[in-house]
Amino acid sequence: ETGVTQSPTHLIKTRGQQVTLRCSSQSGHNTVSWYQQALGQGPQFIFQYYREEENGRGNFPPRFSGLQFPNYSSELNVNALELDDSALYLCASSLAAGTSQETQYFGPGTRLLVL
Amino acid sequence: RKEVEQDPGPFNVPEGATVAFNCTYSNSASQSFFWYRQDCRKEPKLLMSVYSSGNEDGRFTAQLNRASQYISLLIRDSKLSDSATYLCVVINAGNMLTFGGGTRLMVKP
Repeated sequence: ETGVTQSPTHLIKTRGQQVTLRCSSQSGHNTVSWYQQALGQGPQFIFQYYREEENGRGNFPPRFSGLQFPNYSSELNVNALELDDSALYLCASSLAAGTSQETQYFGPGTRLLVL
Repeated sequence: RKEVEQDPGPFNVPEGATVAFNCTYSNSASQSFFWYRQDCRKEPKLLMSVYSSGNEDGRFTAQLNRASQYISLLIRDSKLSDSATYLCVVINAGNMLTFGGGTRLMVKP
């Protein structure tokens, strides 16, 4: 396995609620990226954190926010949940040095259902 | 138009068949290219990188055509265990992965 863990594995929320998803990166990795995968589609990039700073963001509204901690683990927070936020949320860790980045390794994901 | 496009399939093939998937990308400045495999209800896993010179890993061959902006994956002698969704992935500046929608392969006995 990749050594990337995510919690919780499954979650059910209602519209308007807030959710926090967690990711522990592989040992030695300093970069975490988050992706949203709707049913039947490919993953879509949400944002990336490198050394506790946001290092790139996809086309997601500000109610999607994140954090990276000194141990390089990360959180994804989503406020004011909408039905369309129902998806598999994947985090991927990698080692970045300067402008180069090694392979991203994915965690098992968190399945979020918004009712 | 999506940045990375794939035929969603499904491709239904018998064991032992050869199957090919193509993928097109729209950003001519794209820097790196990959194929990922995703099993049902699992996370994507890197299958192989793709280079202009072409590269082979056992039964799998990947090819990049920069002029036409397409990427291909060829699977020879298909096995039942090859059944999965194959995701074409492109990296542009900033190291973010841009995924295609995936092509579903079902290998039947």
